Amino acid sequence: EVQLVESGGGLVQPGTSLRLSCAASGYTFDDYAMHWVRQLPGKGLEWVSGISWNGDYISYGDSVKGRFTMSRDNAKNSLYLQMNSLRADDTALYYCVKDRHTSVSHIMYVWGQGTTVTVSS
Amino acid sequence: QSALTQPASVSGSPGQSITISCTGTSSDVGAYNYVSWYQQHPGKAPKLIIYEVTNRPSGVSNRFSGSKSGNTASLTISGLQAEDEADYYCCSFTASTTYVFGTGTKVTVL
Repeated sequence: EVQLVESGGGLVQPGTSLRLSCAASGYTFDDYAMHWVRQLPGKGLEWVSGISWNGDYISYGDSVKGRFTMSRDNAKNSLYLQMNSLRADDTALYYCVKDRHTSVSHIMYVWGQGTTVTVSS
Repeated sequence: QSALTQPASVSGSPGQSITISCTGTSSDVGAYNYVSWYQQHPGKAPKLIIYEVTNRPSGVSNRFSGSKSGNTASLTISGLQAEDEADYYCCSFTASTTYVFGTGTKVTVL
């Protein structure tokens, strides 16, 4: 069974940094691209970032470009999101998502349960 | 990149069919057949139910179907059941090589 377990969320002050992790199991991690998608409190979904199977291609949403860095360690079956210069509007539930393909696509196939990030002073 | 436009809510009685629209632009929905749909029950993670406009992943009921015309994609749920009550989101690839979700639609089974 495919499992994606996010961790690293918490309460932080504006302007600070946080690193999210996602541990994948139940499938061959380096056969698939991955995404981070966030959901603002009580609101809709927002695509944050996507990474290809080998990390050679990474794409970011406009609202996080230049502040967030996505990476993966295939030897550890792990995905990461380094979030810098955090703002109040980054407050959200962050999902780790497995793609259906090796390259980043619109097919967000399996979702984790999410980790909550709260940015507040 | 602005969110794709969906109706805030759609309702129907058990057994009926309902359709949820997802309107974008010629730079996203209208430009590519890369539209997916997700179902999200309260307190749960989203679940993929349609990809590439019309395709269903294995295990998804054939009561769910997708289509597209111009800049608008649509999700139809036929034979509406109580378990279909959930939020639904569309998603499209964009010309900026990013992805954009819809505003979300709450489906209520009367």
